[in-house]
Amino acid sequence: AQSVAQPEDQVNVAEGNPLTVKCTYSVSGNPYLFWYVQYPNRGLQFLLKYITGDNLVKGSYGFEAEFNKSQTSFHLKKPSALVSDSALYFCAVRDKENNFNKFYFGSGTKLNVKP
Amino acid sequence: EPEVTQTPSHQVTQMGQEVILRCVPISNHLYFYWYRQILGQKVEFLVSFYNNEISEKSEIFDDQFSVERPDGSNFTLKIRSTKLEDSAMYFCASREAGGHYGYTFGSGTRLTVV
Repeated sequence: AQSVAQPEDQVNVAEGNPLTVKCTYSVSGNPYLFWYVQYPNRGLQFLLKYITGDNLVKGSYGFEAEFNKSQTSFHLKKPSALVSDSALYFCAVRDKENNFNKFYFGSGTKLNVKP
Repeated sequence: EPEVTQTPSHQVTQMGQEVILRCVPISNHLYFYWYRQILGQKVEFLVSFYNNEISEKSEIFDDQFSVERPDGSNFTLKIRSTKLEDSAMYFCASREAGGHYGYTFGSGTRLTVV
């Protein structure tokens, strides 16, 4: 069965410090992996995706994520956090071979960046 | 950049009433989706739609729900008789035929059933 786990409900970090938001996944086939961000009262905004190729993926707003097949992880990272990065972050997976049309989302991690 | 547009942004309705949530997907997209997010919970898949028919639906998408593409541009989600537990943010998404990787999501409609 396909699933996504975001083990932290909330991550707190000081502005200027590096941040990591964790994600692990489980799929029957090969994964397509995504990160989305949701600001208050807004929709889901695409940040980045891993499809194939280089395990380190760079996305919008200076975010990057590393696909680790052996650990089935896709952690979101940023070298230097901004207060404006404070939002809700969702990891999502699609299974290349099974139920391809459907996203499976994690429960979300609230990122708080303090000045 | 092309957007998926959802209207209204917020709708309040009385329990038992019918609601229609509207979406205008990106014009050359062929696959359409509805997801919902109950407050504080995961974003959940409801239904996918292609070639004027439902291609997949979740167990949430029961007989009270229906989707339609009435005029080639709008994509609607109808809830026939709303329940309190239907209160959620509803997201529409679309993708093009060869766009296997990413969808474009709309900004959502917050439905509040009172």
